[in-house]
Amino acid sequence: GPKVLQIPSHQIIDMGQMVTLNCDPVSNHLYFYWYKQILGQQMEFLVNFYNGKVMEKSKLFKDQFSVERPDGSYFTLKIQPTALEDSAVYFCASSLSGNTEVFFGKGTRLTVV
Amino acid sequence: GQQVQQSPSSLVLQEGENAELQCNFSSTATQLQWFYQSPGGSLVSLLSNPSGTKHTGRLTSTTVTKERRSSLHISSSQTTDSGTYLCAIANTGKLTFGDGTVLTVKP
Repeated sequence: GPKVLQIPSHQIIDMGQMVTLNCDPVSNHLYFYWYKQILGQQMEFLVNFYNGKVMEKSKLFKDQFSVERPDGSYFTLKIQPTALEDSAVYFCASSLSGNTEVFFGKGTRLTVV
Repeated sequence: GQQVQQSPSSLVLQEGENAELQCNFSSTATQLQWFYQSPGGSLVSLLSNPSGTKHTGRLTSTTVTKERRSSLHISSSQTTDSGTYLCAIANTGKLTFGDGTVLTVKP
């Protein structure tokens, strides 16, 4: 099926530093998402993004988080500064429209130390 | 907000047996997807089925929208089917996930 690519697969970072997670969505998709999953816990929505704008964000999407997709390049999640509780697997996803099948990447495992 | 309840929470089968997984949700949804999450954590979309019955390979999903429930039937289970099966619903593209059913298929 359609592939969403995430880079890197793992990232270890010192608390307080900035990290950027990169996502290459399915080529013709227009809606982009980030989800967070702490080990052993439920997958939780962070944010969705369409037409260059954040459409909806959850309480988990703290002020330290930002997303962008400059000029059709990677869809990125930036965390600045990072905190210990940001350690989790972050999944990027994309869909053609807001009500069609959503495809996920393999996730980036972020460890903040 | 929307809630998604999955049952059973875990299921152990012998290879070749069939599995029936259930998903109940608290509000109307225009979108419903079943996902497989491998033990390594990767998430794969199995079926998008907001209403009716859909088949793919050994998988059959039936969603009864009015009753806010969906099922996933896995026929002739294989050891490689072991993992977590997640049900997720959405109305505006934001998926709400259930806690999942952990399936273990023994040889």
